[in-house]
Amino acid sequence: TQLLEQSPQFLSIQEGENLTVYCNSSSVFSSLQWYRQEPGEGPVLLVTVVTGGEVKKLKRLTFQFGDARKDSSLHITAAQPGDTGLYLCAPSKTGANNLFFGTGTRLTVIP
Amino acid sequence: DTAVSQTPKYLVTQMGNDKSIKCEQNLGHDTMYWYKQDSKKFLKIMFSYNNKELIINETVPNRFSPKSPDKAHLNLHINSLELGDSAVYFCASSQEGGRSPLHFGNGTRLTVT
Repeated sequence: TQLLEQSPQFLSIQEGENLTVYCNSSSVFSSLQWYRQEPGEGPVLLVTVVTGGEVKKLKRLTFQFGDARKDSSLHITAAQPGDTGLYLCAPSKTGANNLFFGTGTRLTVIP
Repeated sequence: DTAVSQTPKYLVTQMGNDKSIKCEQNLGHDTMYWYKQDSKKFLKIMFSYNNKELIINETVPNRFSPKSPDKAHLNLHINSLELGDSAVYFCASSQEGGRSPLHFGNGTRLTVT
């Protein structure tokens, strides 16, 4: 079983604040995906990063893949209540047939 | 149209019963999965099927038996339900294994009393 730690486990912030959540492992991955899960629904893909050091932006969300492809971060600027949810990272290895998930960060943005 | 649909959404049953959860995807994907999400929101792979063939079978009790009648369907049958089986079960599909994005259903919340 892969060890995929996400931090913080819980995060509660005020609307308009910035935040960063992390996904860390000791293993090297070929790619990594970030998902957001809202209550009562399944996770939805936000982004896939593939290259070490890669940065991708999705509106107010900025995703970075570590240079060594062992970790990733998600930064949200000016958080909105609609950003509330469970953020999951899901790395994959070359040749692997499944995606496994990190422990998740539960984000609550208070209006 | 719902891409990945699973039924039922809620399932409450007693210990010892046998139950099934159904999943269908209309995305034309080759690979389907079952995941279990526990009360701490940890999402863990249970099974993966590619074109109706079992690819991954993680350490899951043999009371759990997936069945794939065709590549658009992957059902999960659970025998002799136990209290510890209570969780949310998610079906998902992807175009192929590995880094292909997963498309999830909305989950089936199973409560065993």
